[in-house]
Amino acid sequence: GQQLNQSPQSMFIQEGEDVSMNCTSSSIFNTWLWYKQDPGEGPVLLIALYKAGELTSNGRLTAQFGITRKDSFLNISASIPSDVGIYFCAGPLTGANSKLTFGKGITLSVRP
Amino acid sequence: NAGVTQTPKFRVLKTGQSMTLLCAQDMNHEYMYWYRQDPGMGLRLIHYSVGEGTTAKGEVPDGYNVSRLKKQNFLLGLESAAPSQTSVYFCASSDGYGYTFGSGTRLTVV
Repeated sequence: GQQLNQSPQSMFIQEGEDVSMNCTSSSIFNTWLWYKQDPGEGPVLLIALYKAGELTSNGRLTAQFGITRKDSFLNISASIPSDVGIYFCAGPLTGANSKLTFGKGITLSVRP
Repeated sequence: NAGVTQTPKFRVLKTGQSMTLLCAQDMNHEYMYWYRQDPGMGLRLIHYSVGEGTTAKGEVPDGYNVSRLKKQNFLLGLESAAPSQTSVYFCASSDGYGYTFGSGTRLTVV
């Protein structure tokens, strides 16, 4: 099926460090979405990617849509404590009326 | 500009009790979804709706029912709560592009 794989489940970094996360699938996706969930809140859309090879930035965040359309990467530069949270990748299921499938998420911890 | 509002935010139920979770959106979105989030499991789709009066099953529908009588509201019902339904429940709405999520309902079944 169209599953999205994110690993590891948790990442621990030092404040100021850069971090990279990836999301892979055995299926092709035409859109990749990255969400962040702050503790106690719902996920919020960070970046949306619509074209293979596309590189999009949002402040200290940069995401790329893989050329094969089977992966995507999210980079966070110069991490700060408020970057703590769960980062999900998501993509639309084929012919599914805009239904999204989500990866299991990566929990990011930032040590001050 | 409320977006997606979920009520209640917290609830404790006894096994066998019933309850309804309410989701309301003010963005005129056609699509609405109910997810549950459990540690290490990510977001799993329970039920969804592609428009007023329609509902469909998601990945983990057993033990839940839904209704979409009005476009702006999507209700999730538990007829006979079980401890396995202890989770955080998220509602989301969409206009066909990205989702907007509510802030969640934390449900504990004892």
